[in-house]
Amino acid sequence: GENVEQHPSTLSVQEGDSAVIKCTYSDSASNYFPWYKQELGKGPQLIIDIRSNVGEKKDQRIAVTLNKTAKHFSLHITETQPEDSAVYFCAAGGGGADGLTFGKGTHLIIQP
Amino acid sequence: EAQVTQNPRYLITVTGKKLTVTCSQNMNHEYMSWYRQDPGLGLRQIYYSMNVEVTDKGDVPEGYKVSRKEKRNFPLILESPSPNQTSLYFCASSFLQRGNNEQFFGPGTRLTVL
Repeated sequence: GENVEQHPSTLSVQEGDSAVIKCTYSDSASNYFPWYKQELGKGPQLIIDIRSNVGEKKDQRIAVTLNKTAKHFSLHITETQPEDSAVYFCAAGGGGADGLTFGKGTHLIIQP
Repeated sequence: EAQVTQNPRYLITVTGKKLTVTCSQNMNHEYMSWYRQDPGLGLRQIYYSMNVEVTDKGDVPEGYKVSRKEKRNFPLILESPSPNQTSLYFCASSFLQRGNNEQFFGPGTRLTVL
């Protein structure tokens, strides 16, 4: 089955700086890679996703890059703000009927 | 409002006392799933369902049961809870149509088994 590794487990950055979270996956058949943000006391919420026919996707301050050859994908957050503090999960799957395999999460801390 | 609801949100129980955590979605999603979240282990899938009367095991199904008698509901059943099932549980749902697979998560149920 699929195995997703996520690093780092904790990331502390100064407000206004950029944050990068990296994930690798093992199953070359995976073609759907979402990122979820979990705020304290809430369920995870999708913030951006990418499919394997695209190398990069951007939405305002967040972007995701995918390298299918190396089987890794990354989340980039620019101009970080206090409200970006949360736990972020990457996931990989086939989309549709296939389930998602999640990474273990990254606790992002934005220092004022 | 489109949402996934779970009840109860918090539950403290004792070993061996059967319990059910309910999950309901109002988005007409075919796919529903249960996860448990433990420190350092991320989200692990317990069971999932692709439609009414169709359920299958995830990565950590031992000690759990599910049913899908109606499209909107997907209860999680612990027949004889044990302390190692103390965890934070999330229900999620999504469409099965390829290209529209965002999983919507419920608010979570924090379960403590003494």
